[in-house]
Amino acid sequence: DAMVIQNPRYQVTQFGKPVTLSCSQTLNHNVMYWYQQKSSQAPKLLFHYYDKDFNNEADTPDNFQSRRPNTSFCFLDIRSPGLGDAAMYLCATSKGLAGSYEQYFGPGTRLTVT
Amino acid sequence: SQELEQSPQSLIVQEGKNLTINCTSSKTLYGLYWYKQKYGEGLIFLMMLQKGGEEKSHEKITAKLDEKKQQSSLHITASQPSHAGIYLCGAALNTGNQFYFGTGTSLTVIP
Repeated sequence: DAMVIQNPRYQVTQFGKPVTLSCSQTLNHNVMYWYQQKSSQAPKLLFHYYDKDFNNEADTPDNFQSRRPNTSFCFLDIRSPGLGDAAMYLCATSKGLAGSYEQYFGPGTRLTVT
Repeated sequence: SQELEQSPQSLIVQEGKNLTINCTSSKTLYGLYWYKQKYGEGLIFLMMLQKGGEEKSHEKITAKLDEKKQQSSLHITASQPSHAGIYLCGAALNTGNQFYFGTGTSLTVIP
């Protein structure tokens, strides 16, 4: 059974057109993360929610926003996608703090910007 | 600057050979994780190490964390084509939720 689900798996958007990526989990985990992974690079943490507390990484562009309406769902909003935002976006969850609990990853959403 | 450095960047080995991947940080690691990623897919958890000197094994994969908790190695014994993929180390560098991945090692196993 899928535990971390990402929709859609592939998303194509136009330059400057807002896009929302979705992540849901059946694990009831407290923490949800969004990572950006560009081609041949390691995943880079954008932000995370610990319950309802939002934590933004210092170098995450303002163009990226997130919402977590409830425990199960978390959304990544890209307000004005640029060509440089084309990447794989990975959602992950963990029971608690990253140093103490493993993260469970979804299959990712591959975003193409035309 | 990269918080976690992995070496080698890529590795091509003959099936049946042993191999080692290293992950190094200049900072103390609060939890060191190894993940495997197939191209275009999500990450699969392999192992987690927390204590200095800790060593864990699963099937033919062994991971170690050094006593100073700044370096980890992943060793694969008698590699198989199913081991091919990208291996990523990841760690928290403080007691919060900031999490960093290493630069990754691409492994190819030739039958």
